[in-house]
Amino acid sequence: GAGVSQTPSNKVTEKGKYVELRCDPISGHTALYWYRQSLGQGPEFLIYFQGTGAADDSGLPNDRFFAVRPEGSVSTLKIQRTERGDSAVYLCASSLGSGGYQETQYFGPGTRLLVL
Amino acid sequence: GIQVEQSPPDLILQEGANSTLRCNFSDSVNNLQWFHQNPWGQLINLFYIPSGTKQNGRLSATTVATERYSLLYISSSQTTDSGVYFCAVELDTGGFKTIFGAGTRLFVKA
Repeated sequence: GAGVSQTPSNKVTEKGKYVELRCDPISGHTALYWYRQSLGQGPEFLIYFQGTGAADDSGLPNDRFFAVRPEGSVSTLKIQRTERGDSAVYLCASSLGSGGYQETQYFGPGTRLLVL
Repeated sequence: GIQVEQSPPDLILQEGANSTLRCNFSDSVNNLQWFHQNPWGQLINLFYIPSGTKQNGRLSATTVATERYSLLYISSSQTTDSGVYFCAVELDTGGFKTIFGAGTRLFVKA
């Protein structure tokens, strides 16, 4: 595709519900990142995929958060038992991932999650 | 953990003015990137600059890795330059964590 896309663009849910956020990276990019951005702050790293595997999930805040990338392309971030504090913009980025180190990251427009 | 500090936190410029944004980091890093987040929230990569100097139009950046800082220069600022500028570093710890600074919020007045 032309760029990184994320769906939905907005999601409103109730406390305790389960949500899934989807990211379609740029075609051919093997590296994929998830971040969370709260109002007035910089993006906070959650997880990094190289291909199908999570190479670094050290940023996931707790076991309610989980992400998958089963075919090495589309990724889904899953949040169980949502809490009001999970409200934020969830950003996805991708990069070529060919150099064995991080490269220029291209960001999607984000999913704005509001937990009531 | 590593600290990424950006200054100034806020900046107001008259259109046409020049400015310098600074990013200090407290530990060695594998790379550094500068991003611009526009008022609609879209993050755009400006520079991938682990060291040295790069220029792209009215923007240029310099990273001095040995002294743990990077500078972003904006010349002849335009109203479309408004938004938040972030620097982000990849830790040199064997993982792939990217740490963002808190950003510099720039407003360019016409």
